[in-house]
Amino acid sequence: DIQMTQSPSTLSASAGDRVTITCRASQSIGRWLAWYQQKPGKAPKLLIYKASSLESEIPSRFSGNGSGTEFTLTISSLQPDDFATYYCQQYNSLLTFGGGTKVEIK
Amino acid sequence: QLQLQESGPGLVKPSETLSLTCTVSGGSIDSHNYYWGWIRQPPGKGLEWIGSIYYSGRTYYNPSLKSRVTISVDTSKKQFSLRLSSVTAADTAVYYCARRTYYYDSSGHWLGEPFDIWGQGTMVTVSS
Repeated sequence: DIQMTQSPSTLSASAGDRVTITCRASQSIGRWLAWYQQKPGKAPKLLIYKASSLESEIPSRFSGNGSGTEFTLTISSLQPDDFATYYCQQYNSLLTFGGGTKVEIK
Repeated sequence: QLQLQESGPGLVKPSETLSLTCTVSGGSIDSHNYYWGWIRQPPGKGLEWIGSIYYSGRTYYNPSLKSRVTISVDTSKKQFSLRLSSVTAADTAVYYCARRTYYYDSSGHWLGEPFDIWGQGTMVTVSS
């Protein structure tokens, strides 16, 4: 089974900050990685697929990078609506989610 | 616009079977391009994929849950269902259904994308 490890688990930031979340896979997954945003009481929302492709209607301040075993999600200028929990997911072999990163207000 | 809606009991007794249904509206369940999946999230914790099904009935499951999970589809009702047997308190979670798009690439490989459409989720508590 492929394990996905996200860091940090919690990130404190202010509006306007540039933030980066890291996701590491226990083995190479190519670029078969997605990022989701989840707000309390809501279903996850797909942001990025194939490591760096932006889902339709997702703002361009979100970007993804990486391949193999190490991936990043960057928010270039944090907006109030971006305070949420973010999950990575590999879909190279079955499906596995990372543990999540909560982006909270500093 | 395609929408998914989960339904089923909100309370299940330990050792019994959890049964949930996801109804697809605003689109077809028997498209060749989609798999349909179940994902769950215990309170305050992360996401766990349970399993997925194609309209033909082909399934694949999370190995950690495979022995207790059955996912089925009823295309006439535009529904797919989850059954999880021998539940314990550890199965208490919000259960989501979701859609995964598949396509053939230029080399003829059948490839899947991540879940792009999700239901709102339904909370299931396992308690006597």
